[in-house]
Amino acid sequence: GAVVSQHPSRVICKSGTSVKIECRSLDFQATTMFWYRQFPKQSLMLMATSNEGSKATYEQGVEKDKFLINHASLTLSTLTVTSAHPEDSSFYICSARTGGDSPLHFGNGTRLTVT
Amino acid sequence: GQQVMQIPQYQHVQEGEDFTTYCNSSTTLSNIQWYKQRPGGHPVFLIQLVKSGEVKKQKRLTFQFGEAKKNSSLHITATQTTDVGTYFCAATTSGTYKYIFGTGTRLKVLA
Repeated sequence: GAVVSQHPSRVICKSGTSVKIECRSLDFQATTMFWYRQFPKQSLMLMATSNEGSKATYEQGVEKDKFLINHASLTLSTLTVTSAHPEDSSFYICSARTGGDSPLHFGNGTRLTVT
Repeated sequence: GQQVMQIPQYQHVQEGEDFTTYCNSSTTLSNIQWYKQRPGGHPVFLIQLVKSGEVKKQKRLTFQFGEAKKNSSLHITATQTTDVGTYFCAATTSGTYKYIFGTGTRLKVLA
């Protein structure tokens, strides 16, 4: 149980375009999902907390107008990278938990390459 | 903001040797979780520690939470090639709901 599906797994886009990444909890409801960014051989950096039915909470230094998060239902959160630039190229990974202090269940991640 | 440091950053061991990674925080933690990320994969949950001084074991893995709840360690006995990957601690402080990941320790096991 507790499977998180993330799509797409890889995407290449041109500079200036927008990319949407979906994160779904397949067999549980997640009122809260988390979006992380990971650079090669580095740790996971928390970008924002996605809250169902309300605005996302962004970490310091993360541009909320650039990284749009929508948590429209209890099983789906989306991250849209707007007007992407090459420096946005990274591995984006979402996670969700069933509640409280339960473990984080991660999606397989999305490798974004902006050319 | 809160930072969680892990040492060492890298560790290469011969198969059969032991391995330990340490996780340190400047602030008191509410609880700590450990994850393993294989190359090219996503983090997978290993264990959660909540109580001061807690020790938990999973086969060859031993996890400890410090008495002051500011540090934790993961020890692997007799490493195997399947232990290869990056081990992260992830911590939360009282009153917060989010987990901050440590800097990670990348383990390489030489056969």
